Amino acid sequence: SYVLTQPPSVSVAPGRTARITCGGNNIGSKSVHWYQQKPGQAPVLVVYDDSDRPSGIPERFSGSNSGNTATLTISRVEAGDEADYYCQVWDFSSDHYVFGTGTKVTVL
Amino acid sequence: QVQLVESGGGLVKPGGSLRLSCAASGFTFSDYYMSWIRQAPGKGLEWVSYIRTGSGYTNYADSVKGRFTSSRDNAKNSLYLQMDSLRAEDTAVYYCARGARDGYYLDYWGQGTLVTVSS
Repeated sequence: SYVLTQPPSVSVAPGRTARITCGGNNIGSKSVHWYQQKPGQAPVLVVYDDSDRPSGIPERFSGSNSGNTATLTISRVEAGDEADYYCQVWDFSSDHYVFGTGTKVTVL
Repeated sequence: QVQLVESGGGLVKPGGSLRLSCAASGFTFSDYYMSWIRQAPGKGLEWVSYIRTGSGYTNYADSVKGRFTSSRDNAKNSLYLQMDSLRAEDTAVYYCARGARDGYYLDYWGQGTLVTVSS
């Protein structure tokens, strides 16, 4: 089955840029989607189809995808961005959703 | 606005059964794939099942296949998850979510319902 690997944690100072990676075999050939989950809350979609943002999501959230790595970038990080972030793809071979292992973003 | 509200969670003994419901509003329910995703305490997200529109085709994660059954009632704008032969490792918050663009990603999620499997 398809596996998505994320770093367990990323720390960033307010106002700086956070980059969260999502590794998978030839992930560049798939569409990658990203979710933000704050403690005690349901996940929220922040980026879909590699780099598109749903309405209401700040432009500070952006995404890219190439080769074996997809990246969620959070620019001008704010305290409110502290959360767990998950990448996700659709695995056509298994007809399954696949989630990444998750990354905890800590704002210093 | 889109709303998804799960219910039916609770405490159940190993080997027991539970039926979760997800009430949808604010969109044409019959037009969308729907999914169940779970999250064990302190763990990451795990996709459980999805159900398509139309034929109601379903698919399941290997960890629940043969024990869980997803269904939908479009007339009642509701999604269900029948969980049988429950195990301790099924303990989790269960979320329902709407599938966007033929289900490739999940654009709205409910707040979740907690299922605890323990003797």
